[in-house]
Amino acid sequence: EVQLVESGGGLVQPGGSLRLSCAASGFTLSISGMSWARQAPGKGLEWVSAITVSGGTYYSDSVKGRFTISRDDSKTTLYLQMNSLRDEDTAVYYCAKGTSGMEVWGQGTTVTVSS
Amino acid sequence: DVVMTQSPLSLPVTLGQPASISCRSSQSLVYSDGNTYLNWFQQRPGQSPRRLIYKVSNRDSGVPDRFSGSGSGTDFTLRISRVEAEDVGVYYCMQGTHWPRTFGQGTKVEIK
Repeated sequence: EVQLVESGGGLVQPGGSLRLSCAASGFTLSISGMSWARQAPGKGLEWVSAITVSGGTYYSDSVKGRFTISRDDSKTTLYLQMNSLRDEDTAVYYCAKGTSGMEVWGQGTTVTVSS
Repeated sequence: DVVMTQSPLSLPVTLGQPASISCRSSQSLVYSDGNTYLNWFQQRPGQSPRRLIYKVSNRDSGVPDRFSGSGSGTDFTLRISRVEAEDVGVYYCMQGTHWPRTFGQGTKVEIK
């Protein structure tokens, strides 16, 4: 069974950094594209970033230059390094398997940016 | 960026009646490989999103057959043939053809 478990969320001050992790099981991470999406309180879904099978990375304009997606295939873990955090980055962050389809999602981890 | 526009944004439905959600994209979603990467997701209250439909009309495993997707190019529809209580939630379309990926605003389905 495919499972994704996010962790690393928390409270951080504006301008601070966090690294989110997504532990993957039930499939081979190294041959799967992966994505991050987020949902601000009471709002809709927003696509954030993706990494393809070949390692290509893509970002939304709202996080480009501040967030970095990566993966450690040996640890079967996907990461999202978030720097220069802003109030508007407050959201539940989800990782998902796939880049064109996002077929399986994790339970999410909450990031709160506030002073 | 490709803009995904859903309508309606709120959909009160009677149990057992059909429901339909429209999703329009600002550009064609046909990819160079010939596939159209249009997905539909369901998000029940307090839960993570769950994909229902991929590539316009393919149901994911375990998705009831009362859910169906159709469309082409820039115009897509999600239909529920007979709404059940467990279908309450927000439904999103998402395009997986162009970078960056984009979601529709969401359609809230509730029971009348």
